[in-house]
Amino acid sequence: DAGVIQSPRHEVTEMGQEVTLRCKPISGHDYLFWYRQTMMRGLELLIYFNNNVPIDDSGMPEDRFSAKMPNASFSTLKIQPSEPRDSAVYFCASSTGLGSNGYTFGSGTRLTVV
Amino acid sequence: QKEVEQNSGPLSVPEGAIASLNCTYSDRGSQSFFWYRQYSGKSPELIMFIYSNGDKEDGRFTAQLNKASQYVSLLIRDSQPSDSATYLCAVIFNTGGFKTIFGAGTRLFVKA
Repeated sequence: DAGVIQSPRHEVTEMGQEVTLRCKPISGHDYLFWYRQTMMRGLELLIYFNNNVPIDDSGMPEDRFSAKMPNASFSTLKIQPSEPRDSAVYFCASSTGLGSNGYTFGSGTRLTVV
Repeated sequence: QKEVEQNSGPLSVPEGAIASLNCTYSDRGSQSFFWYRQYSGKSPELIMFIYSNGDKEDGRFTAQLNKASQYVSLLIRDSQPSDSATYLCAVIFNTGGFKTIFGAGTRLFVKA
């Protein structure tokens, strides 16, 4: 298996622009998680899906953030409009069950908003 | 407030020594505990998980859990320079919905 695949690896964008991050989970995994990592706040859970349905989005910082999972093999996290404080590494992870055997993380997208 | 606390370090140990990493958590009802390793610029990777009180060994790694004290630790025996990384403790919190909360991580340096 190729693991969890994220794209792009790096994204540099100007403040106010729309940013879309993409994730392909491991085939057969029924849970998908989006995390954000910064030096100040560590790894923060933004949202997670079960069988393509959003279960908990309480970690999404504000309405500028949205996430979708149109099918079992694809999810997007969108920021519109982006702001400099959104600069972080965004990780997608997938698991079977709620992660009782742990998660497999993608390589992450390093987002820089200037 | 769901919290997972770790000493940020850095923890520095000589090659061949035992490295001891510690973690406390706030939810007494938590049942699942994890240790992830994260090299600089890379994504976290799962090292071990533990559910029951006591010790669980996997190669050079031993996870220890004490639910009464809300404490979980990771021991790395015969530490190698390649073990130098940040170690993240993670806990699945069962109250207010199931969520995996990560600690801020402890940076470990193993000196050759």
